Amino acid sequence: GAVVSQHPSWVICKSGTSVKIECRSLDFQATTMFWYRQFPKQSLMLMATSNEGSKATYEQGVEKDKFLINHASLTLSTLTVTSAHPEDSSFYICSARGRGRTDTQYFGPGTRLTVL
Amino acid sequence: LAKTTQPISMDSYEGQEVNITCSHNNIATNDYITWYQQFPSQGPRFIIQGYKTKVTNEVASLFIPADRKSSTLSLSRVSLSDTAVYYCLVGDQGSARQLTFGSGTQLTVLP
Repeated sequence: GAVVSQHPSWVICKSGTSVKIECRSLDFQATTMFWYRQFPKQSLMLMATSNEGSKATYEQGVEKDKFLINHASLTLSTLTVTSAHPEDSSFYICSARGRGRTDTQYFGPGTRLTVL
Repeated sequence: LAKTTQPISMDSYEGQEVNITCSHNNIATNDYITWYQQFPSQGPRFIIQGYKTKVTNEVASLFIPADRKSSTLSLSRVSLSDTAVYYCLVGDQGSARQLTFGSGTQLTVLP
């Protein structure tokens, strides 16, 4: 199957700093990438959808100025958590999907963010 | 986006066949049914996808009745390593919209 990577796999930062998470599709071109957040023992919650070369579409309740998404190429999307606070601590997961009508979403391994 | 309903949890024993059923009464014509497996602190892993009837791969089988209002993921001869959360998702893969995650089913395989 298709491979999606994320970097870093975990990060610890101080409150008020910004953190960037990268999501890459390694062996296919991803026209659409998605960012999810998952709290312990809960399901995945979609944060935003991004298409290459266009602005991301954010879900209701997700602050676009706090969670900056850039989808600069068909293989790379980044999520920047600006001025992170302890309540932003979570497991962030990206997924990517190709062009075809039946193309499946493939997920990255996730990034554990801990804000102190 | 079609909403899905799955059992919250299931227990099984090693070597048994496990069937997890998902209800999706308002599935649309263009919607596909996709199942994912997730282990703690990992991203979901694609298991199987289907549109109608039966689909089988090296990991699982997916049974979809004619009305497509439900689907059943079948795992044959489960092992302890199959303990995970299983998500059933329904959506139009060809659209720009994502698939909505429900609560999933926590499968626990016992020795």
